[in-house]
Amino acid sequence: KAGVTQTPRYLIKTRGQQVTLSCSPISGHRSVSWYQQTPGQGLQFLFEYFSETQRNKGNFPGRFSGRQFSNSRSEMNVSTLELGDSALYLCASSANSDTYRNYGYTFGSGTRLTVV
Amino acid sequence: QQQVKQSPQSLIVQKGGISIIICAYENTAFDYFPWYQQFPGKGPALLIAIRPDVSEKKEGRFTISFNKSAKQFSLHIMDSQPGDSATYFCAASESGTYKYIFGTGTRLKVLA
Repeated sequence: KAGVTQTPRYLIKTRGQQVTLSCSPISGHRSVSWYQQTPGQGLQFLFEYFSETQRNKGNFPGRFSGRQFSNSRSEMNVSTLELGDSALYLCASSANSDTYRNYGYTFGSGTRLTVV
Repeated sequence: QQQVKQSPQSLIVQKGGISIIICAYENTAFDYFPWYQQFPGKGPALLIAIRPDVSEKKEGRFTISFNKSAKQFSLHIMDSQPGDSATYFCAASESGTYKYIFGTGTRLKVLA
């Protein structure tokens, strides 16, 4: 069974640009979450989607947005990139609405974004 | 109130020793506490999880101890092995929020 796939693995962008990251969850998983990981802040929740609906959003500026498609694949977008957006962006999936509270999330290996 | 405080930040243990990582929380609405293990270049992977109605849960060499009154939970790695060298994150979740609050992580190194 394929795991959570995130593309691209590495990305270098310039300040002011925008970026789109992609996540394909495990087949059959309908919940997708995004986390930002940095050395200083650790893992910070960005947003969670279930059946194309955003159910929760973390404390990030409006420059961070996401969406989920009918096949459960998800994308997140960051506009007007800042140096502080440099981080590892992790996508995680779980099967159903509350499976993450019984069987945990399955994380992808992340997209390493560097803003220069 | 949403924070989960994790300690120590780093830990060095001899092979065969016991590794202990402690997390503390304030939000009494948290009711699911997973631990994740992360190797360099990989995403976190679920190790073991516990709910507040259980004081201890063991899976192989990994044990979670939960102290509801102290609002603390800990991960014990028995007979630590060099292959256990990784970063460990505790987390907490509240029903209906669809998210985890993660601790800041503990970098464990097990010396051969």
